[in-house]
Amino acid sequence: AQKITQTQPGMFVQEKEAVTLDCTYDTSDQSYGLFWYKQPSSGEMIFLIYQGSYDEQNATEGRYSLNFQKARKSANLVISASQLGDSAMYFCAMRLFGNEKLTFGTGTRLTIIP
Amino acid sequence: NAGVTQTPKFQVLKTGQSMTLQCAQDMNHEYMSWYRQDPGMGLRLIHYSVGAGITDQGEVPNGYNVSRSTTEDFPLRLLSAAPSQTSVYFCASSYFGENTEAFFGQGTRLTVV
Repeated sequence: AQKITQTQPGMFVQEKEAVTLDCTYDTSDQSYGLFWYKQPSSGEMIFLIYQGSYDEQNATEGRYSLNFQKARKSANLVISASQLGDSAMYFCAMRLFGNEKLTFGTGTRLTIIP
Repeated sequence: NAGVTQTPKFQVLKTGQSMTLQCAQDMNHEYMSWYRQDPGMGLRLIHYSVGAGITDQGEVPNGYNVSRSTTEDFPLRLLSAAPSQTSVYFCASSYFGENTEAFFGQGTRLTVV
């Protein structure tokens, strides 16, 4: 079975600083995808970024990038130049290729301080 | 452009009551699923469907039933609500594929008293 571990329950970061949210995963499969979702206080789940296990480049989407280290089984989310609107809960999730079921971590609550 | 629509947004039930959480998507996604979100536990898969007429259990299926008669709709039924089912419920849908993200509904906050 797959497992996602997010070891930071909460983080406080000064506005405009970069922030790294940690995610490690455990699977014996070689073919999988990793996702990050943002959940603001309003409650909706917003997709941020995706990384496939065979992707050679780290994924980037605007201010979001994914630091993918396959050998260490880590998929950390990096947010550059943080903004007040980045304050939210962030979830790392994983899905095996050919299986649409998502396995989520427990999340990290990020608070941006002005 | 509705996406995934869940109703209701809030619900209070008494122990033993039954109810159905509705979920509809207009993106012609094959895959639909239900998750529950509890503090400190992330989102856990309750049931999922890979197409009309096909459903299967996820990680925490006890106390819940689903059916999928159409591609668009995937209701979640609580047969006899229990306080342990107090949670936030999310419906999600996606296409099949390696890099296709799941789209989530707005969530239903359910309280069982």
